Amino acid sequence: GQQLNQSPQSMFIQEGEDVSMNCTSSSIFNTWLWYKQDPGEGPVLLIALYKAGELTSNGRLTAQFGITRKDSFLNISASIPSDVGIYFCAGQGNTGNQFYFGTGTSLTVIP
Amino acid sequence: DAGVIQSPRHEVTEMGQEVTLRCKPISGHNSLFWYRQTMMRGLELLIYFNNNVPIDDSGMPEDRFSAKMPNASFSTLKIQPSEPRDSAVYFCASSLGDSYQPQHFGDGTRLSIL
Repeated sequence: GQQLNQSPQSMFIQEGEDVSMNCTSSSIFNTWLWYKQDPGEGPVLLIALYKAGELTSNGRLTAQFGITRKDSFLNISASIPSDVGIYFCAGQGNTGNQFYFGTGTSLTVIP
Repeated sequence: DAGVIQSPRHEVTEMGQEVTLRCKPISGHNSLFWYRQTMMRGLELLIYFNNNVPIDDSGMPEDRFSAKMPNASFSTLKIQPSEPRDSAVYFCASSLGDSYQPQHFGDGTRLSIL
């Protein structure tokens, strides 16, 4: 299946720092989604992106749909302890009807 | 509003036994997805229904796995017979409209096959 490379795999940061992570694909996508998963729970949708170049915010979170349509970025500003979790990107292209998920970025925030 | 509801939350059973996982999608959503999550392979789509009809089951591992959606508010994923390598967290997700809409996930069923 489609491979999405998500980086970094894990991050350990101090509370208050900003966070950046990205997701790249070998093919063009029409939709990018960003999810957060807490332990023992299902992924929760954070942001959806539908157009190349689109920049969308949700509180302290900002995500961008890359111009090449092969990548997407998620930034978290002024991190807090509850930001801890695994962040997944998901992308969908022209062919097929499924979303492909990245391998996740594990975020640890040190108080 | 109620989200996607899955049951049971945890299941531990011996290999060879039949396992049935259940899902109630968000009311009004007409697309339903079953995923499997493991450390090695991440999130994998198993099967996707639209308007209760299976559209893509190419992700179903083998004949031991089957899924049904008898009505708009209920779906099952069955494994028979179960094997230790089936141990994983199984998620159900639903979306409004077709598969191009963002999916909303349940909290999953953690399955352990001994």
